[in-house]
Amino acid sequence: QSALTQPASVSGSPGQSITISCSGGYYDIGDYNYVSWYQQHPGKAPKLIIYDVRHRPSGVSSRFSGSKSGVTASLTISGLQADDEADYYCSSYTTITAFWVFGGGTKLTV
Amino acid sequence: EVQLVDSGGGLVQPGGSLRLSCAASGFAVDNNFMTWVRQAPGKGLEWVSVIYTSGSAYYADSVKGRFTISRHSSENTLFLQMNSLRTEDTALYYCARLGPPTNYHDSTGNYHDYWGQGTLVTVSP
Repeated sequence: QSALTQPASVSGSPGQSITISCSGGYYDIGDYNYVSWYQQHPGKAPKLIIYDVRHRPSGVSSRFSGSKSGVTASLTISGLQADDEADYYCSSYTTITAFWVFGGGTKLTV
Repeated sequence: EVQLVDSGGGLVQPGGSLRLSCAASGFAVDNNFMTWVRQAPGKGLEWVSVIYTSGSAYYADSVKGRFTISRHSSENTLFLQMNSLRTEDTALYYCARLGPPTNYHDSTGNYHDYWGQGTLVTVSP
């Protein structure tokens, strides 16, 4: 059982927007702005798309955005494209262990 | 260009050992916090171990006492020595770099900015 809870799957049509939630607790998402999101295509390594809740690394499309409210973080993808179809994982620093935890992953179908 | 190349995986019997390697280029492993993250077949990501720039090393409870993370400065390579392997250790193992700090009081960022391609470890009788 993952420390962070994500929906197993979400779907959307090209051009639409979707949001993936990531629920944690006081000692991880609630206590720090250290939430990151990763995109993983089949057979590929994870790729960082959001760090520190809402910041995008250089080269990541502005269609990806992140936010947080209380103990729940969210990833929104706008203007869905076929290539967005992938697994998405959230992660957070946690004071319980002083290390990092991941969510169980969400499969996005476009 | 930053690059991480994982190697060393394979098939091993329960109780056996393996040593994974992660060759880095474009940056110095000594100057960054480096981690191992694994992914069991069809499952999510699980943080396994971290080595700080100081050399201090830490582990997830599931591997503590069995795995050892280390680095070789001149080869710019990260290692994971895995002993007493169990069937539940079967996974794709990724090395990853923790990104630069984003707050003045932090020693490292709290996000994995570069990942290796992964190396598969299969523990089976």
